[in-house]
Amino acid sequence: AQSVTQPDIHITVSEGASLELRCNYSYGATPYLFWYVQSPGQGLQLLLKYFSGDTLVQGIKGFEAEFKRSQSSFNLRKPSVHWSDAAEYFCAVGAFSGGYNKLIFGAGTRLAVHP
Amino acid sequence: EAGVTQFPSHSVIEKGQTVTLRCDPISGHDNLYWYRRVMGKEIKFLLHFVKESKQDESGMPNNRFLAERTGGTYSTLKVQPAELEDSGVYFCASSQGWATNEKLFFGSGTQLSVL
Repeated sequence: AQSVTQPDIHITVSEGASLELRCNYSYGATPYLFWYVQSPGQGLQLLLKYFSGDTLVQGIKGFEAEFKRSQSSFNLRKPSVHWSDAAEYFCAVGAFSGGYNKLIFGAGTRLAVHP
Repeated sequence: EAGVTQFPSHSVIEKGQTVTLRCDPISGHDNLYWYRRVMGKEIKFLLHFVKESKQDESGMPNNRFLAERTGGTYSTLKVQPAELEDSGVYFCASSQGWATNEKLFFGSGTQLSVL
């Protein structure tokens, strides 16, 4: 069955430190992979996506993610975290089921940033 | 351009009552999706409309949930009667097309609490 696992429920980092959020997926075909962020009171915002090609993808707000097929992973990274990055982050795989698109999400990782 | 709007932002009801959630997609978006996040777990797909037609309702939990999209514009999701396990955040999303690489725009969600 298709699934997404985000092993870390909560992560706390200091402002300026580097960040890596883990995501593992289970999907039979070549996956379409996404990272979304939800800030308090806001909707889910797309950070970046991977469909094919270069396995290192760049997104908004200085985030990047690397697709590793051999590890079934799509980890999100940022070299220097800002206080405004405190939010909840969701990894998702696109399931093209029955001809129509739907997303399968992980349980999310809540990021806290210490000054 | 207005984003996806959901109303109400919060709803607190008692078990056995009825609640109706509303979603206004971005104008011109034929595709409308409902998702739900229960108890801080994964965000799960509920159903997908293309215009006024239900294309995929495989995620609907049971027949206490009824989604409509009359006229292909806004959508409502009614829960009748509500149960404790229905508590969670209900997200709506819309897109122009239905392909897997189509960008989804999410609303900020409705927090439903059933007491």
